[in-house]
Amino acid sequence: DTAVSQTPKYLVTQMGNDKSIKCEQNLGHDTMYWYKQDSKKFLKIMFSYNNKELIINETVPNRFSPKSPDKAHLNLHINSLELGDSAVYFCASSQAAGLDTQYFGPGTRLTVL
Amino acid sequence: TQLLEQSPQFLSIQEGENLTVYCNSSSVFSSLQWYRQEPGEGPVLLVTVVTGGEVKKLKRLTFQFGDARKDSSLHITAAQPGDTGLYLCAGPRTSGYALNFGKGTSLLVTP
Repeated sequence: DTAVSQTPKYLVTQMGNDKSIKCEQNLGHDTMYWYKQDSKKFLKIMFSYNNKELIINETVPNRFSPKSPDKAHLNLHINSLELGDSAVYFCASSQAAGLDTQYFGPGTRLTVL
Repeated sequence: TQLLEQSPQFLSIQEGENLTVYCNSSSVFSSLQWYRQEPGEGPVLLVTVVTGGEVKKLKRLTFQFGDARKDSSLHITAAQPGDTGLYLCAGPRTSGYALNFGKGTSLLVTP
């Protein structure tokens, strides 16, 4: 059974479009995250949700909007996509916040043309 | 922001060689984690070190947390091609939620 799943795996789109990435975890965890990994492999936190409440919102443009319909899901919607949004986006979850083990999804490679 | 600096950035060695990867910061961390990421996959936790001076072993991998809890190292003995991947160190953010990651060491082990 996949612990943290993301869809789609690959996403290729034009500048200006709106797209969504879905994430689901079946581990019963309370905390979920979105990370962005750039072309140099640097992994940076974007958002953190705990019990469906937004805890961390890093300096991310307003075009990025996370939504957590329930504790098992954390989706990421991106409006007006830009070339610089091209990256791999990882969803993760942990039982508790902080240094508890984080379980990562397989990533979504977003390419904006 | 508690920055984590990793070195070297890239490492290419032959099977059977030993190597050490470093993770350094000017900040004190309550604990540090090491993750390994293989191509096309998400990072997977290898170990968490909590106590200053702590040494943990995972088969051929030895992890050490500095006495001052500002640095950590990962030593691999007799590297194998299966060790190839991106090694990331991570520490908890000051707020306690989410992790700050280093920029990683990309390791390639050739037969």
